[in-house]
Amino acid sequence: AQTVTQSQPEMSVQEAETVTLSCTYDTSESDYYLFWYKQPPSRQMILVIRQEAYKQQNATENRFSVNFQKAAKSFSLKISDSQLGDAAMYFCAYRRTTYGDKIIFGKGTRLHILP
Amino acid sequence: NAGVTQTPKFRVLKTGQSMTLLCAQDMNHEYMYWYRQDPGMGLRLIHYSVGEGTTAKGEVPDGYNVSRLKKQNFLLGLESAAPSQTSVYFCASSSPLGLKGQFFGPGTRLTVL
Repeated sequence: AQTVTQSQPEMSVQEAETVTLSCTYDTSESDYYLFWYKQPPSRQMILVIRQEAYKQQNATENRFSVNFQKAAKSFSLKISDSQLGDAAMYFCAYRRTTYGDKIIFGKGTRLHILP
Repeated sequence: NAGVTQTPKFRVLKTGQSMTLLCAQDMNHEYMYWYRQDPGMGLRLIHYSVGEGTTAKGEVPDGYNVSRLKKQNFLLGLESAAPSQTSVYFCASSSPLGLKGQFFGPGTRLTVL
């Protein structure tokens, strides 16, 4: 069965600095999708970035980028120039490309931004 | 577009009471999901639906029932609420291949006394 592990329950970073959140996953599939979701105090789940496993190029969305290491089954999220609004719970998620499959979420990393 | 909406946003129940949570989406998504979120547990899938009239069990289905009578709506029912069902409930929807991920509702905070 596929699993997603986020080994850092909480992290802190100084405002304007860079922080990396870790995520590893276990799968025997060769093609799949990976996602990072952000959940701010408002509780709303927001998709931050996604990566298709067949693409070697790491995805980037403004200040957010990923380091996708397929062989190591690692999918870390880098946030550059951290802002107070980045404070949230971040969830890593995995989904097979199989039609109709479900997303599997990690347990989350709570990110604190220090002013 | 409203996206995914959930009704109600908050609810307090007494043990043994029943209630239904309503989820609605206007994105014409085939797939809909119900999750619960508890501290330190992340999101756990309760039930999901791959189309109108079809439902399936997720990771933690016990104590819950669901119905998908219309494509845009997905109902989550608690027949006899228990304190262990105190949680935040999220509904989500997606296209079948889910390339854009899942779209989430704002959540419902349920407290069972």
